[in-house]
Amino acid sequence: EPEVTQTPSHQVTQMGQEVILRCVPISNHLYFYWYRQILGQKVEFLVSFYNNEISEKSEIFDDQFSVERPDGSNFTLKIRSTKLEDSAMYFCASSWLAVTDTQYFGPGTRLTVL
Amino acid sequence: GNSVTQMEGPVTLSEEAFLTINCTYTATGYPSLFWYVQYPGEGLQLLLKATKADDKGSNKGFEATYRKETTSFHLEKGSVQVSDSAVYFCALTGSSNTGKLIFGQGTTLQVKP
Repeated sequence: EPEVTQTPSHQVTQMGQEVILRCVPISNHLYFYWYRQILGQKVEFLVSFYNNEISEKSEIFDDQFSVERPDGSNFTLKIRSTKLEDSAMYFCASSWLAVTDTQYFGPGTRLTVL
Repeated sequence: GNSVTQMEGPVTLSEEAFLTINCTYTATGYPSLFWYVQYPGEGLQLLLKATKADDKGSNKGFEATYRKETTSFHLEKGSVQVSDSAVYFCALTGSSNTGKLIFGQGTTLQVKP
């Protein structure tokens, strides 16, 4: 069964450093998402991406964040200058359609900012 | 905006007990409703979904019915197993058409033999 993959599984970085989280969505999917889950809290939407552009972003997704689909298979989340409060589990998801369709989630990248 | 409220956990049950995890929502329009499950150390997996009022989603013995009149989507299972121990998330689509999911806070279920 096709699956969403994410790398790395765990990333440790110093505050102020840039990080790139990588995802490979399911190959024929058209909609791509990033969510995050701070330890002990709910899963929060960050951004949705369709047709090579952002279709919606949350208040969390400020100028420090960016997303890219550089080569038609990878989907990346970049955090330009990490803060302590960026420490969380980051999940990538993809779906064929929006709204009614199932989103398939990757296993997540745990980001620890020191 | 759209939001989801889930019952607080953790929920601890004995094997073969009946499970209910409550979920209520606030929404404009006609959202789709989902239950996702997260097993230890893994990502989120869709458990079941319902896309319109009165639809019943079901999978692996779990069921939930989309109740518009009570704005609820409670998860039920008649007889839980130890392997059902996980975190369960109720979610709905946002009011936009981008597919954004809004999650409840999650309910941890622990099933003891």
